[in-house]
Amino acid sequence: ETGVTQSPTHLIKTRGQQVTLRCSSQSGHNTVSWYQQALGQGPQFIFQYYREEENGRGNFPPRFSGLQFPNYSSELNVNALELDDSALYLCASSLFPRDYEQYFGPGTRLTVT
Amino acid sequence: GENVEQHPSTLSVQEGDSAVIKCTYSDSASNYFPWYKQELGKRPQLIIDIRSNVGEKKDQRIAVTLNKTAKHFSLHITETQPEDSAVYFCAANRGYGGSQGNLIFGKGTKLSVKP
Repeated sequence: ETGVTQSPTHLIKTRGQQVTLRCSSQSGHNTVSWYQQALGQGPQFIFQYYREEENGRGNFPPRFSGLQFPNYSSELNVNALELDDSALYLCASSLFPRDYEQYFGPGTRLTVT
Repeated sequence: GENVEQHPSTLSVQEGDSAVIKCTYSDSASNYFPWYKQELGKRPQLIIDIRSNVGEKKDQRIAVTLNKTAKHFSLHITETQPEDSAVYFCAANRGYGGSQGNLIFGKGTKLSVKP
């Protein structure tokens, strides 16, 4: 098991609400990447945070935003939730730019009703 | 945009047989190719990876090969065991600028190993 943790484990929200997901990176890692994994699909890259700044973004709208804190933990915020946002949200930590290996947390299962 | 194609989507083998999963990528600047194993309800687990300066890498029963000219890479599992049953994902990094660490994933291969 990796040292990456995420909270909460599960979450149920109503369409139009806002949600905040949290991720603590593995000890010694400085970068957190967020992915969305729909049922039966591979993870899709949302964005990456390095040195508390966004370092690359996938094809996701601005209502997906994030933060990284000085201890390298990170938050993913999603505003104006839509039904299609229902998915497993995974974060992965790494030591950028030295290593490319990314280690995933257990994920947060978000259900939007 | 960049993408990663993965085949087959499902693979069923008998215990002890070999399994091969193949991926192709489109970004010629990609230089890092990891493979993840995801069991039902669990996190993706990094099982092996390869850099573009290497053609093959082996770790016990699993091996990965890379053909940069053809832009494809493969996962080989020998002497399969029931505990190898899972969904396997290949990925490639975006090879440009500050996004080198960002991964593009294939759609996954569900491997079933029958005892």
